[in-house]
Amino acid sequence: DIQMTQSPSSLSASVGDRVTVTCRASQSISIYLNWYQQRPGKVPKLLIYAASSLQSGVPSRFSGSGSGTDFTLTISSLQPEDFATYYCQQSYGAPFTFGPGTKVDI
Amino acid sequence: EVQLVESGGGLVQPGGSLRLSCAASGFTFSSFAMTWVRQAQGKGLEWVASISGTGGSTFYADSVKGRFTLSRDNSENTLYLEMKGLRAEDTATYYCAKDGKRTTCYDHWGQGALVTVSS
Repeated sequence: DIQMTQSPSSLSASVGDRVTVTCRASQSISIYLNWYQQRPGKVPKLLIYAASSLQSGVPSRFSGSGSGTDFTLTISSLQPEDFATYYCQQSYGAPFTFGPGTKVDI
Repeated sequence: EVQLVESGGGLVQPGGSLRLSCAASGFTFSSFAMTWVRQAQGKGLEWVASISGTGGSTFYADSVKGRFTLSRDNSENTLYLEMKGLRAEDTATYYCAKDGKRTTCYDHWGQGALVTVSS
């Protein structure tokens, strides 16, 4: 099975900051990598699919990059509604494992 | 508008059974794979199982293989998760999710159904 790791596990940031979250796969997954946001008490929301494609309706301050084993989610200018936990997920093959999450707070 | 509504959650004793349902609307149900993802309180997301649009292919996490069965009724636009031999570690909120069109990703999620396994 493909294992996913994320770093950092948590980070503190301020409104307006540029934030970067890293995700690493235990083997090459090409660009089969998705990013989700989960606000406290809310349902997960798809942000990025196929490593860098922005899901419809997601603000352009979110971007994704990477291929192979190393991936990055970047928030260019953090907004108050962006304080949440972010999960990566590989879609290369079943089981479609999630990373452990990165909590972004103030 | 895509809507996914889970039902069937509740309290069950260890070793017991439960069936979750997910009623889908707002899209051509049979054209999309569907997935269950669970989340224990305060923990991360765990992929549980997926089924193809036709229902001909299913995939399970090792943690539930042999105990959970995923099926769908495309005539009723409903997804099912039959859970047997439930364990305390199966306690979680179970989300039904619709797969994306171009790649495996979950672009719509239900509100979740809470399953509690406890004596």
